[in-house]
Amino acid sequence: DAKTTQPPSMDCAEGRAANLPCNHSTISGNEYVYWYRQIHSQGPQYIIHGLKNNETNEMASLIITEDRKSSTLILPHATLRDTAVYYCIVRAVGGGADGLTFGKGTHLIIQP
Amino acid sequence: DAGVIQSPRHEVTEMGQEVTLRCKPISGHDYLFWYRQTMMRGLELLIYFNNNVPIDDSGMPEDRFSAKMPNASFSTLKIQPSEPRDSAVYFCASSRSRRGITDTQYFGPGTRLTVL
Repeated sequence: DAKTTQPPSMDCAEGRAANLPCNHSTISGNEYVYWYRQIHSQGPQYIIHGLKNNETNEMASLIITEDRKSSTLILPHATLRDTAVYYCIVRAVGGGADGLTFGKGTHLIIQP
Repeated sequence: DAGVIQSPRHEVTEMGQEVTLRCKPISGHDYLFWYRQTMMRGLELLIYFNNNVPIDDSGMPEDRFSAKMPNASFSTLKIQPSEPRDSAVYFCASSRSRRGITDTQYFGPGTRLTVL
């Protein structure tokens, strides 16, 4: 799977939008961008994923650039409970490559 | 649904002892994954199963580790003998495949293993 690059940490004020960037410049055409997060002492939690179009669900929005070399996860109104490590993962579909390869992620800290 | 269930949540054992971690995947999911998380190495995939059959165990660190899935609702990860460097949080995850593509993985709460 393609590797990703994320800032190690970010701060965001409570109530503001948190924008988490991810670079995946070597992504292949059949690879999705997935976002998971891990709140302290819990298992990773799925947030959202996309191929090339922007996606939105009840948790977040995912913006993927046209060349697919980078993406941004947006938490529209961050709360203290959004403090977590956020992982951007590029994942091939099919072909048996079914495990997730986690990098170091971004530690997002929501400030009151 | 109760989600992925893991037991025990915490395990403290002495070096040389056998340790068995248990996982119940979400009903209807045909993929099951075991991951390990440490401060030094982060989250690593150890092994995964599809329809109870091990597909890729290349992440299993050594022969002391073994995993089984006797049926669709139960899997074990065994360490024998355990060593202090095995201390970590072990996560189980499950997912279902649709049209041959694995879907979102759902993780359990993890088992925190401490080997003294």
